[in-house]
Amino acid sequence: AQRVTQPEKLLSVFKGAPVELKCNYSYSGSPELFWYVQYSRQRLQLLLRHISRESIKGFTADLNKGETSFHLKKPFAQEEDSAMYYCALSKDSNYQLIWGAGTKLIIKP
Amino acid sequence: EAGVAQSPRYKIIEKRQSVAFWCNPISGHATLYWYQQILGQGPKLLIQFQNNGVVDDSQLPKDRFSAERLKGVDSTLKIQPAKLEDSAVYLCASSLGQWTGQETQYFGPGTRLLVL
Repeated sequence: AQRVTQPEKLLSVFKGAPVELKCNYSYSGSPELFWYVQYSRQRLQLLLRHISRESIKGFTADLNKGETSFHLKKPFAQEEDSAMYYCALSKDSNYQLIWGAGTKLIIKP
Repeated sequence: EAGVAQSPRYKIIEKRQSVAFWCNPISGHATLYWYQQILGQGPKLLIQFQNNGVVDDSQLPKDRFSAERLKGVDSTLKIQPAKLEDSAVYLCASSLGQWTGQETQYFGPGTRLLVL
């Protein structure tokens, strides 16, 4: 079955500390993976996609097909990174997104 | 560029009543999605439109939910009759509709529904 798992509902780290939000997926095809973010009182929005291989707001994510993971990382967390983060997988059959349950990231001052 | 618009933002109804949500996607976006997001969970796709045709409504509870996108632009989602378990945030999203796996979905602010 196609599934996206974010094992941590809540992650709390101090400002300046490294951050890693975990995402594991289960999919037999060729996945396209995304991280979406929702800041307080804002809309859900795309943060980054694996194919772009870019760093957005200091965040990067590497697709590891062997471990079926797509963890989101940032070396030095900022208070403005506090938000809800969702990992999502696009099915190659119809390009719909399958979503994880999300991880709430809190950056402590 | 105006974003995806949704209304109302909040709605409180009693069970067995009906409710309707409206969505106006970004201009030129062919694909429109309705999601249900229950507290503590990720969004769950209810229905996907491509222009005014339904691409997938396999997870739409058709005994009580209906959706339409008559002119390929605005869309409405209706629940009739509502149940307690329908309490959720209903998200509308749109995308260009170029049928690539890398397409970005743009989300509206959502409608928070509480069924009492």
